[in-house]
Amino acid sequence: DVKVTQSSRYLVKRTGEKVFLECVQDMDHENMFWYRQDPGLGLRLIYFSYDVKMKEKGDIPEGYSVSREKKERFSLILESASTNQTSMYLCASSGAGGETQYFGPGTRLLVL
Amino acid sequence: DQQVKQNSPSLSVQEGRISILNCDYTNSMFDYFLWYKKYPAEGPTFLISISSIKDKNEDGRFTVFLNKSAKHLSLHIVPSQPGDSAVYFCAATPVGTPLVFGKGTRLSVIA
Repeated sequence: DVKVTQSSRYLVKRTGEKVFLECVQDMDHENMFWYRQDPGLGLRLIYFSYDVKMKEKGDIPEGYSVSREKKERFSLILESASTNQTSMYLCASSGAGGETQYFGPGTRLLVL
Repeated sequence: DQQVKQNSPSLSVQEGRISILNCDYTNSMFDYFLWYKKYPAEGPTFLISISSIKDKNEDGRFTVFLNKSAKHLSLHIVPSQPGDSAVYFCAATPVGTPLVFGKGTRLSVIA
C-alpha cells in the first residue's frame, strides 16, 4: 500500500511566521504535489516536483515555496504566513508515468 | 477558466438507491479521468479511473462512464450506502501533466 504521511494534522501559526509543512512517501514515487483545499474551491495545485531538486509552479504558487532534497520528501514553505493561507494542505505522490495520485491525510493550518 | 466542472455541489440519495455524480470537461486533450472520495479532515482516496480508449469501467459497486463526444463522465454507485457519504472529486489529465480537479460534489446517503 502506498503511504503518504504529513508531519502535522493540525497547526496554528501567527501572521508573519515561517511555516514548514513536510510530506514523506514510501513508494519510491518520482512525482510529488502540494495542494490546498478550500470550501467551494476544490483542490488547487500549489507546486509539484517530478524529480529531486526539481520544482514546477502550479496554479497558485504565490506566497509559497518548496524544497525537494530527497526523493521521498517534499516540503512546502510559507515564507511569511498570512491569514488567507488558512486552509487544508494536501500532499500527494505518483509514480513516473502513473496518473493516479495518492494523498496524505492533510494538514489543517490556521493562521491567526 | 474551469476545465473540469462538477455542476452539482451536493446530492442526496436514499440508501439502497443509485447515486449518479456528474462531471464535464472542456479540454479535448484530457485522456485519463479519475474519481476521488474525501471524508472530512482526511486526504482524498482514489476510487476509480478510466482512460479515453474506454467508455466504461467497473469496480464493485462503482462504475465510471465516459462520453468523449459530450466531454462528460459520470460515477454510478449502486447500491448506495451511508458510508458512501463524502465529497467526490472528478479529476482529469493529458497523460504526463498534473491532474486538474473539479470542485467536488457532496453526496449524502440517507438511511
